[in-house]
Amino acid sequence: GAVVSQHPSRVICKSGTSVKIECRSLDFQATTMFWYRQFPKQSLMLMATSNEGSKATYEQGVEKDKFLINHASLTLSTLTVTSAHPEDSSFYICSASPPRSQDEQYFGPGTRLTVT
Amino acid sequence: GDSVTQMEGPVTLSEEAFLTINCTYTATGYPSLFWYVQYPGEGLQLLLKATKADDKGSNKGFEATYRKETTSFHLEKGSVQVSDSAVYFCALSDRMNRDDKIIFGKGTRLHILP
Repeated sequence: GAVVSQHPSRVICKSGTSVKIECRSLDFQATTMFWYRQFPKQSLMLMATSNEGSKATYEQGVEKDKFLINHASLTLSTLTVTSAHPEDSSFYICSASPPRSQDEQYFGPGTRLTVT
Repeated sequence: GDSVTQMEGPVTLSEEAFLTINCTYTATGYPSLFWYVQYPGEGLQLLLKATKADDKGSNKGFEATYRKETTSFHLEKGSVQVSDSAVYFCALSDRMNRDDKIIFGKGTRLHILP
């Protein structure tokens, strides 16, 4: 079945550094991937839609210069948190839709980012 | 705009109890409806879905019926297990919006006691 992976699963970084999170569709090609952020005990907040070969579409209130998204290929999207601060600490989840999936999205296992 | 409202948790039940988690939605078009489950420390997994009115989605003993007249998609299970402890998200995808976005409810945390 459709599998989406994320790497790393956990990362701890110092304030002011940048962190890259990878999202891969392992057995299908995805022209569109989605990045979400989840705060403790809260729902998922859609951050941006990642489009292969074009710029990402960011949701209102999400800083595009802080959360850089690159959809390098049909199986890989990356989210880079630049100049991270403690308030960026969160659980980041990506998802992708297989072709002809009838609205279905498959989610990665998530990446826990802690900024110290 | 489109939205999903689900009952707030946490919900605590004893093993083998009957479970209902309420979910209602608003949508301008003809949404597909989903229930996702998130186990501790993990991402989301699709539990079940329904794509049109009166469809019933089912998986792992869970069921939900797409009720257009009441704009609801309540999740039910006849006999819960400890392993069902997780957070459950009701969600919709409105095909009138050609962007494939999924709109999530706030999630309901379920605790099953042995």
